[in-house]
Amino acid sequence: DTEVTQTPKHLVMGMTNKKSLKCEQHMGHRAMYWYKQKAKKPPELMFVYSYEKLSINESVPSRFSPECPNSSLLNLHLHALQPEDSALYLCASSQQTGGRTDTQYFGPGTRLTVL
Amino acid sequence: GENVEQHPSTLSVQEGDSAVIKCTYSDSASNYFPWYKQELGKRPQLIIDIRSNVGEKKDQRIAVTLNKTAKHFSLHITETQPEDSAVYFCAASNFGNEKLTFGTGTRLTIIP
Repeated sequence: DTEVTQTPKHLVMGMTNKKSLKCEQHMGHRAMYWYKQKAKKPPELMFVYSYEKLSINESVPSRFSPECPNSSLLNLHLHALQPEDSALYLCASSQQTGGRTDTQYFGPGTRLTVL
Repeated sequence: GENVEQHPSTLSVQEGDSAVIKCTYSDSASNYFPWYKQELGKRPQLIIDIRSNVGEKKDQRIAVTLNKTAKHFSLHITETQPEDSAVYFCAASNFGNEKLTFGTGTRLTIIP
């Protein structure tokens, strides 16, 4: 399996809802990432997990809560979001080879709309 | 931190002609430079990348050049085809920093 998969593809939620985004990869990659992408903008890094430990948090509001249950899975728990959080949420993974920066492979994304 | 500038923001090219997109970076420690293509509603897909120990890399119609002294790198697409129409992002990173810093993107349109 050479893909990063994400579910759901689309999500509409109210500001009081709690929902979760899921990302999965079976390429043996040991780094996983969450990005947020607004229309006509580049992906913006939110979180990085390296060997299942949170290594980077780009000062993301606490209404976004990441979780890495195992080396293949990455979740993003959402609570009390704002309409401005509506965006495409992309997951990515990379190998974490020692001695160099590895290519990041992106999933198809979850299109989130907050009403 | 790293800052990546990308130009132009939009580019229209006649089918069959060449397209060039340029990026500059600020952090001299950056040593990995990927290019991603993103079609509308789709995921960013890696099309080519280059590391700082190499000055040029080619893959069929696509090439990337890197000038470490000037801190800029460029994407060259030859014999453009309609399916090349997309948004292209350059990015930069350095070893030990898992963060990719993206450029602002170039919307490339191939005119049939």
